[in-house]
Amino acid sequence: AQTIHQWPVAEIKAVGSPLSLGCTIKGKSSPNLYWYWQATGGTLQQLFYSITVGQVESVVQLNLSASRPKDDQFILSTEKLLLSHSGFYLCAWSLDSFNQAPLFGEGTRLSVL
Amino acid sequence: GEQVEQRPPHLSVREGDSAVITCTYTDPNSYYFFWYKQEPGASLQLLMKVFSSTEINEGQGFTVLLNKKDKRLSLNLTAAHPGDSAAYFCAVSVNTEGADRLTFGKGTQLIIQP
Repeated sequence: AQTIHQWPVAEIKAVGSPLSLGCTIKGKSSPNLYWYWQATGGTLQQLFYSITVGQVESVVQLNLSASRPKDDQFILSTEKLLLSHSGFYLCAWSLDSFNQAPLFGEGTRLSVL
Repeated sequence: GEQVEQRPPHLSVREGDSAVITCTYTDPNSYYFFWYKQEPGASLQLLMKVFSSTEINEGQGFTVLLNKKDKRLSLNLTAAHPGDSAAYFCAVSVNTEGADRLTFGKGTQLIIQP
């Protein structure tokens, strides 16, 4: 069975500090991977997606970047956090063309102070 | 680009009553449609995927209706119980410039009153 794992579960960071969030999918090769951001009580905004290792497409950047260093790993990062980066970050995976519904990881809750 | 409007933003119903959440979308090329449930502090849980032009899908305690002619998707919770209290999101997929994009509605906060 496929599993998706995000780390860390939660972070409290200072404005201006760097950030790195991770996502790993096990049990499936060459998945499509996605990063979403959810403001507190808000809707979900797709940030990035990747269909293969080394290739990442930006949907909305929000002063963040993403990388896919391995087939099963997706990283979200920034060198300088802003207050507006606070929220819930969700990683998701799917097969081609959403024939299989995107399934989400547990999420990382980020508070920027 | 695709726009998805979800109504209502907040919904409160008594236990045992039904609750209906509706989404309308704009892009006629949309082809996959999803409903997700999000309990407080948790991630999104897939409830159902639909893709036929007009389809009624029944899940455990709910029904999903898709009408592509009207570009409307609805979730009907029948006989709501306290465990149904959560945020519900519809999502619509469309292929834009060779890539699949998933657009979410703004969500509906559902409260089930005893």
